[in-house]
Amino acid sequence: KAGVTQTPRYLIKTRGQQVTLSCSPISGHRSVSWYQQTPGQGLQFLFEYFSETQRNKGNFPGRFSGRQFSNSRSEMNVSTLELGDSALYLCASSTTQGAGNTIYFGEGSWLTVV
Amino acid sequence: SQQGEEDPQALSIQEGENATMNCSYKTSINNLQWYRQNSGRGLVHLILIRSNEREKHSGRLRVTLDTSKKSSSLLITASRAADTASYFCARRERDDKIIFGKGTRLHILP
Repeated sequence: KAGVTQTPRYLIKTRGQQVTLSCSPISGHRSVSWYQQTPGQGLQFLFEYFSETQRNKGNFPGRFSGRQFSNSRSEMNVSTLELGDSALYLCASSTTQGAGNTIYFGEGSWLTVV
Repeated sequence: SQQGEEDPQALSIQEGENATMNCSYKTSINNLQWYRQNSGRGLVHLILIRSNEREKHSGRLRVTLDTSKKSSSLLITASRAADTASYFCARRERDDKIIFGKGTRLHILP
C-alpha cells in the first residue's frame, strides 16, 4: 500500500506570491491533517479534514487555507507569502478522525520564500 | 505554550546503551503518539498509547504514560546507529487538536 504522497517536494517562492501544496493520503484513509515545521516553532498543527469538511484548525492566519476533495486528496494554500512561511509542510492521514487512530506522515514539502 | 515539553532536548549515548526521552503536557488527552524523524524527512510512527493505558512495547521500544503526572516516556533499548534521529511526542487533546512537543535529538555514538 502506497504511503502518504506530497507534491511538490521542494519549491522556492517569492514574497507576496501564493503556493498550493498537494497531499494524497493512504488509500482508504479519510482524514488528512497538515502541519508546519520550522526550527524555531517546531511542529505546529494547521488543520484537519475529514470527508471534505474542516474538522479542526490550528492558530494560523487566514492566509493559510486548505480543502479536501471527495477522493480524500487534500490541498493547502498559502497566500501572500512571507519570509517566515519558509518551512517543511507535512501532511498526514489516518483512517478516521479522532482518538485512537494512528497518523501516518508524508515526506513533506520544503517551501523556501525569498 | 500549547506544546508539550520534551527532555532532554538533545541526547548523545554510546551504541548499545539505552536511551530515555520524556514528554510532559498540561491538558487532558485522548492518546499520545511517539514519532521518529530523520533529518529533513517525514515522521515515522512508533507507538500510540491511549489515555487508559500505562505501558506499551514494540520491539526495542517501550512507552509509558502517567496521566496523573501528565507525562510519558520513550525508552529505546540496545541503541543502534540507525536510531540517530529526532523523536517527538504528539498528543491528541480533548478538542481533537494534535499538539507536538519540540522533540529530542538523539545521537548514537559508534
